[in-house]
Amino acid sequence: QKEVEQNSGPLSVPEGAIASLNCTYSDRGSQSFFWYRQYSGKSPELIMFIYSNGDKEDGRFTAQLNKASQYVSLLIRDSQPSDSATYLCAVRDSGTYKYIFGTGTRLKVLA
Amino acid sequence: GAGVSQSPSNKVTEKGKDVELRCDPISGHTALYWYRQSLGQGLEFLIYFQGNSAPDKSGLPSDRFSAERTGGSVSTLTIQRTQQEDSAVYLCASSSRKGTGPNEQFFGPGTRLTVL
Repeated sequence: QKEVEQNSGPLSVPEGAIASLNCTYSDRGSQSFFWYRQYSGKSPELIMFIYSNGDKEDGRFTAQLNKASQYVSLLIRDSQPSDSATYLCAVRDSGTYKYIFGTGTRLKVLA
Repeated sequence: GAGVSQSPSNKVTEKGKDVELRCDPISGHTALYWYRQSLGQGLEFLIYFQGNSAPDKSGLPSDRFSAERTGGSVSTLTIQRTQQEDSAVYLCASSSRKGTGPNEQFFGPGTRLTVL
């Protein structure tokens, strides 16, 4: 059974701080990794995707991928109260187009 | 352009009844996914359609669940003889599945199903 693991949180950070969200996955052959943000009562929306080892930056967001250690992380710089949401990590199953989602980490940014 | 749409947005039904949930994917997207999200939980994969290929039904929790996709576009998820544990938000997503790209999914607003 292929799995994606996330700490459920809540992760609380003060406004302006860096929030660090982590995700580990079991399928060593996975190539594509995604971070979704989901506000309460809403559907997930894509923040970033990454498929090369290293860092990928987009505005205040940085995704980090380490395939050898099978983890992917999301850093949010200068966190804002509007960033408070659940962040879902998703991994595309190797050899298919099926996506495996983690249970999400709830982030609270305190004003 | 229009995003993924789902109907109804809310459905309340009695235990034992059948329900149909509908998904209209983004025009031109060949891949369509159904997920289930129970309160406070992650997304549980149900079924995946890609073009005219046989669907991947490996996530369907029981034979009470079925789905079809007509003409490679609209999809209907049917739950027969609903049970209270079927209560959840059912999310549909579509993807363009272009070769080597990331093929990110775009989600619809979901259908909240409540089985009394």
